[in-house]
Amino acid sequence: EPEVTQTPSHQVTQMGQEVILRCVPISNHLYFYWYRQILGQKVEFLVSFYNNEISEKSEIFDDQFSVERPDGSNFTLKIRSTKLEDSAMYFCASSEAGDREGLSGNTIYFGEGSWLTVV
Amino acid sequence: AQSVTQLDSQVPVFEEAPVELRCNYSSSVSVYLFWYVQYPNQGLQLLLKYLSGSTLVKGINGFEAEFNKSQTSFHLRKPSVHISDTAEYFCAVSPPGSGGYNKLIFGAGTRLAVHP
Repeated sequence: EPEVTQTPSHQVTQMGQEVILRCVPISNHLYFYWYRQILGQKVEFLVSFYNNEISEKSEIFDDQFSVERPDGSNFTLKIRSTKLEDSAMYFCASSEAGDREGLSGNTIYFGEGSWLTVV
Repeated sequence: AQSVTQLDSQVPVFEEAPVELRCNYSSSVSVYLFWYVQYPNQGLQLLLKYLSGSTLVKGINGFEAEFNKSQTSFHLRKPSVHISDTAEYFCAVSPPGSGGYNKLIFGAGTRLAVHP
């Protein structure tokens, strides 16, 4: 079964450093997402991406964050100048396109997550 | 705005017993409803979803959920659990998107612990 793959699975970084989390979405999917889960808290939506641009972002997704699809297969999340509070599990996800009416109950497929620890 | 409340943070149960994990949501518009499961050291996997139609939805691994619009609930049930069902279960909602994509709003999760 096709799956979303993420690298690295774990990363420890110094506060203030830049981090890039990488994801390979399912190949025929057109929508890509990043979610995060701070330890003990809810899974939170960060951003959705379609047709090479951000379609929606949450309040969390400020100028510190950016996403990119550098080639036909990868989808990356960059966190500049990391802070202690950025420590979390970051999930990449993807889904198929919606239907003609723009409605979508399409399943979102999640990767196994990248655990980021900022020290 | 939408929100999801999972009423139980932990549910201990014995093997082969029935289980119900509760989920209530708040929304001023119709939403799609989902249950995801997270096994230890794994990602989120879809168990089932409700989009429209029959309010009783069957999913993988013998789980089912019932959508109750009047009570704004979407409780997850399984008649007989196994040790392997031990995991974190997340209820989520998504408003039907105009852009063809879903944005999931998750509950806090319920840890199901199945004991022999």
